[in-house]
Amino acid sequence: DAGVIQSPRHEVTEMGQEVTLRCKPISGHNSLFWYRQTMMRGLELLIYFNNNVPIDDSGMPEDRFSAKMPNASFSTLKIQPSEPRDSAVYFCASSSGVNYGYTFGSGTRLTVV
Amino acid sequence: RKEVEQDPGPFNVPEGATVAFNCTYSNSASQSFFWYRQDCRKEPKLLMSVYSSGNEDGRFTAQLNRASQYISLLIRDSKLSDSATYLCVVNMGRHSGYALNFGKGTSLLVTP
Repeated sequence: DAGVIQSPRHEVTEMGQEVTLRCKPISGHNSLFWYRQTMMRGLELLIYFNNNVPIDDSGMPEDRFSAKMPNASFSTLKIQPSEPRDSAVYFCASSSGVNYGYTFGSGTRLTVV
Repeated sequence: RKEVEQDPGPFNVPEGATVAFNCTYSNSASQSFFWYRQDCRKEPKLLMSVYSSGNEDGRFTAQLNRASQYISLLIRDSKLSDSATYLCVVNMGRHSGYALNFGKGTSLLVTP
């Protein structure tokens, strides 16, 4: 199994540009999570999908952020327009159930200048 | 107040030492508990689940006290390779679909 696959690994963009982060969960996992990690705030849950349906998006910072999961093997997190304060590492994780831990992807390190 | 609280450290210990990390959580509805390990510039990885009766995995022992909403991790005979950040993780309960809530982590440095 290739694990959770995220792309790109690194992204540097200018303020105001659109950024799209991609994630392929582990096959058979029915839950997918997007987290953001910064030194100040640690790991924060942005949004969570179960069986491709968004369950909890209360962590999405504002309307500039949106996430989709069109099928069981793909999800995107989009930021439009991006701002310098969005700079962070964005992790995607997938899980097969409530009592199981998550498997994380390698993350996307986003820098907005 | 953050839902999962950990001492950020850093904990600097010599090889072979025993070190203990503590964690408290605020959501009494939480049902699943974990410790994750995160190496510098890497993703978090599951170290072990934490069960009510306590559990051990080699040199690592985890304990849970539901009444006090307290979780601990004990590392015996620490190795240089144990140097990392250890994240205490608690699920958020039914209202959040049992998503996981992460502490900010405790940094461990094991020195020769």
